[in-house]
Amino acid sequence: EDQVTQSPEALRLQEGESSSLNCSYTVSGLRGLFWYRQDPGKGPEFLFTLYSAGEEKEKERLKATLTKKESFLHITAPKPEDSATYLCAVQGAGGFKTIFGAGTRLFVKA
Amino acid sequence: DVKVTQSSRYLVKRTGEKVFLECVQDMDHENMFWYRQDPGLGLRLIYFSYDVKMKEKGDIPEGYSVSREKKERFSLILESASTNQTSMYLCASKATGQANTGELFFGEGSRLTVL
Repeated sequence: EDQVTQSPEALRLQEGESSSLNCSYTVSGLRGLFWYRQDPGKGPEFLFTLYSAGEEKEKERLKATLTKKESFLHITAPKPEDSATYLCAVQGAGGFKTIFGAGTRLFVKA
Repeated sequence: DVKVTQSSRYLVKRTGEKVFLECVQDMDHENMFWYRQDPGLGLRLIYFSYDVKMKEKGDIPEGYSVSREKKERFSLILESASTNQTSMYLCASKATGQANTGELFFGEGSRLTVL
């Protein structure tokens, strides 16, 4: 069964304090691993898609990496506006379903 | 600006009422999805549709039904609402074929409270 586990559940950082969020996954035939950002009371917003181990993608202070078993979302010198819930998701060989993790709530204090 | 619009942001219903949640997308996407989101459980797929009048059960379809009469509109129906259906409901759409990057486009969500 396809599964996604994210850690930690919550992460509190000071502004400028870099860190990483983890996403461990089990999937039959990975077609894509996705990162989304979700602000309180809103729907998730797409950040990245990673397709194969070794791939990396960057956007501003965020960098996503992928191995055969996990993905990391690295946050460099975060700012308070980076505070949000970050969701990891995978799509397997079946194609239609996207399986989500429970998310990591990030709090960045000024 | 591409958009998925959910008609109701907040609803309060009583146990046993019939509830309709409407979702419209303007991207001409074939695939549409309904998820519910609960603290600690993440997003769980209720139903999805890959074409007009087509529907498939997701992981938690019990107590729900759906309707897709037009390509742009996907409705979620709670025939008889129960308190354990209190949740945030998220609609999403996705392209197919060459335009399919796997990215889901989400609406703002509908927060349903069943008393």
